[in-house]
Amino acid sequence: KNEVEQSPQNLTAQEGEFITINCSYSVGISALHWLQQHPGGGIVSLFMLSSGKKKHGRLIATINIQEKHSSLHITASHPRDSAVYICAVAGNQFYFGTGTSLTVIP
Amino acid sequence: DGGITQSPKYLFRKEGQNVTLSCEQNLNHDAMYWYRQDPGQGLRLIYYSQIVNDFQKGDIAEGYSVSREKKESFPLTVTSAQKNPTAFYLCASSNQRDTEAFFGQGTRLTVV
Repeated sequence: KNEVEQSPQNLTAQEGEFITINCSYSVGISALHWLQQHPGGGIVSLFMLSSGKKKHGRLIATINIQEKHSSLHITASHPRDSAVYICAVAGNQFYFGTGTSLTVIP
Repeated sequence: DGGITQSPKYLFRKEGQNVTLSCEQNLNHDAMYWYRQDPGQGLRLIYYSQIVNDFQKGDIAEGYSVSREKKESFPLTVTSAQKNPTAFYLCASSNQRDTEAFFGQGTRLTVV
């Protein structure tokens, strides 16, 4: 059983579309992270959340602690947003989702 | 600025050789972690350390070794006993209250 489940696994969008990636977790956590990984590249930390909502540019992350659920939204998507987005939760260690592979088509 | 640094970003080694991956942080974090990622899979815990001179095995520790002689450093050695060492390796650190966590950029190891 995976402690962190992400959906969808793969997502293709047209440039300009609003995108939502979901993350559900089953363990007690102190914080949740959204990470970005470009093909062949390294990991970039986008957000760390313990409650509520955070916004950075076109990216918005929300978390509902009671429902053990988080969402990452991308507004006005762009081809450079194409990457794998990974949800990670911090409990007694970090638990990672398998990632959502996003492709934004011009 | 504080942060966590992994080096190198890409590493190539011949089969049968040991290789050490570096992870350094200047955040004064007590906890440090090593994870491995294989294509199409999530990141899996190799080793973690909650305090200097102490570390614990994770889910896939076989074929790996670590040390934590300094708070700032948590190097991972991929030994020749690791059957499939080619993978992406990620280092992370967090403070005691887990209110702050940082992730390295990762090291992509290819063994030929």
